[in-house]
Amino acid sequence: EVQLVESGGGLVQPGGSLRLSCAASGFTFSTYSMNWVRQAPGKGLEWVSYISSGSGPIYYADSLKGRFTISRDDAKNSLYLQMNSLRAEDTAVYYCARRGWGLNNWYFDIWGRGTLVTVSS
Amino acid sequence: SYDLTQPLSVSVALGQTARISCGGNNIVGKNVHWYQQMPGQAPVLVIYRDTFRPSGIPERFSGSNSGNTATLTISTAQVGDEADYYCQVRDSSTWVFGGGTKLTVL
Repeated sequence: EVQLVESGGGLVQPGGSLRLSCAASGFTFSTYSMNWVRQAPGKGLEWVSYISSGSGPIYYADSLKGRFTISRDDAKNSLYLQMNSLRAEDTAVYYCARRGWGLNNWYFDIWGRGTLVTVSS
Repeated sequence: SYDLTQPLSVSVALGQTARISCGGNNIVGKNVHWYQQMPGQAPVLVIYRDTFRPSGIPERFSGSNSGNTATLTISTAQVGDEADYYCQVRDSSTWVFGGGTKLTVL
């Protein structure tokens, strides 16, 4: 079964850091590009970051202003999101999402169940 | 940045056809994808590249894209279709979501 499982969320104080993980299974992780998407409580979906398969490009939402870093470890079938200088507005459920296979398939075909990050003092 | 505009809510009578719009500047030039999100659950892809259905998605779900508006159509709406629906496109090196539409089946 194709599956993505996020972990690492929790309560963190403003200005703090957190590292999210996403464990992939059921598919050849190294051949897929991956994303993080977040959803603030009661709000819509917001794309956060993209990392290509192999040594390809990495992209971030402009709103993050360099505070977040996406990475992957293909040997461990894992995706990561390092979040620094966290703010209250970063409070959200963070989803790991797989990009569709193929040249022009810029959609998210598999999603994890998400992990909740709460930034509060 | 590219903006996508969706109605906050759409209501449809049981068994009738629901249409959810997604507006964007010359959106016909982009591939539009649609997601269904049930309360407390992760989003699920229901339409990709304007008109294609992933395996396991009922034929009642269809999509179209023309001019400045893309549309998700749900025929013979069921109570189980009540959810939030989001459109999404890729714009340069970013991915953009619409604000989401809450579908209510009356």
